[in-house]
Amino acid sequence: NAGVTQTPKFRILKIGQSMTLQCAQDMNHNYMYWYRQDPGMGLKLIYYSVGAGITDKGEVPNGYNVSRSTTEDFPLRLELAAPSQTSVYFCASSDNSRSGNTIYFGEGSWLTVV
Amino acid sequence: AQSVTQLGSHVSVSEGALVLLRCNYSSSVPPYLFWYVQYPNQGLQLLLKYTTGATLVKGINGFEAEFKKSETSFHLTKPSAHMSDAAEYFCAVFFSGSARQLTFGSGTQLTVLP
Repeated sequence: NAGVTQTPKFRILKIGQSMTLQCAQDMNHNYMYWYRQDPGMGLKLIYYSVGAGITDKGEVPNGYNVSRSTTEDFPLRLELAAPSQTSVYFCASSDNSRSGNTIYFGEGSWLTVV
Repeated sequence: AQSVTQLGSHVSVSEGALVLLRCNYSSSVPPYLFWYVQYPNQGLQLLLKYTTGATLVKGINGFEAEFKKSETSFHLTKPSAHMSDAAEYFCAVFFSGSARQLTFGSGTQLTVLP
């Protein structure tokens, strides 16, 4: 009963390094999302995807890239990491575009940029 | 602009007391409304949601929320707090035409005192 799986759970990056946060879901959901969570700020949408091959920017996309080559996977790429990208990252998915459907979250990836 | 406001970033209640967490939204059309709970170092878990129909919605762990269109509110309540309710709670709103994105409030940290 995996749901949404994120890796790694914790990571420390140096300024200027790059990395990819992996996200996979086994629920055959069309929609997938990446959020970041900063203290006292709630969750902000970075990117989302409505299906394989289709991605779009959310509220805070700068410094990130995504791809969606399969229904299951939605990796988030950080290029040239900056201290401002220190945050908790959540991947999520939902099964279609109906607004009443629930969004399911992964357990988060804690990223520190030093 | 459409927005979600959670009043009170920190709420403390005694064990056995009423829990009331406030959420207001700003929208010209009725949105879909959600409450999520986040326990330390975990992802977000759906507590309850309102889409259509009955305005009083019951969720897990004894929580409920009432959609009041006239007040543009969706406050979360629980008659008797338990120590295990200590967590962060997020109100989230889906606005029609928002490209299938949830907008989150900034969160309310609930502390339950013995």
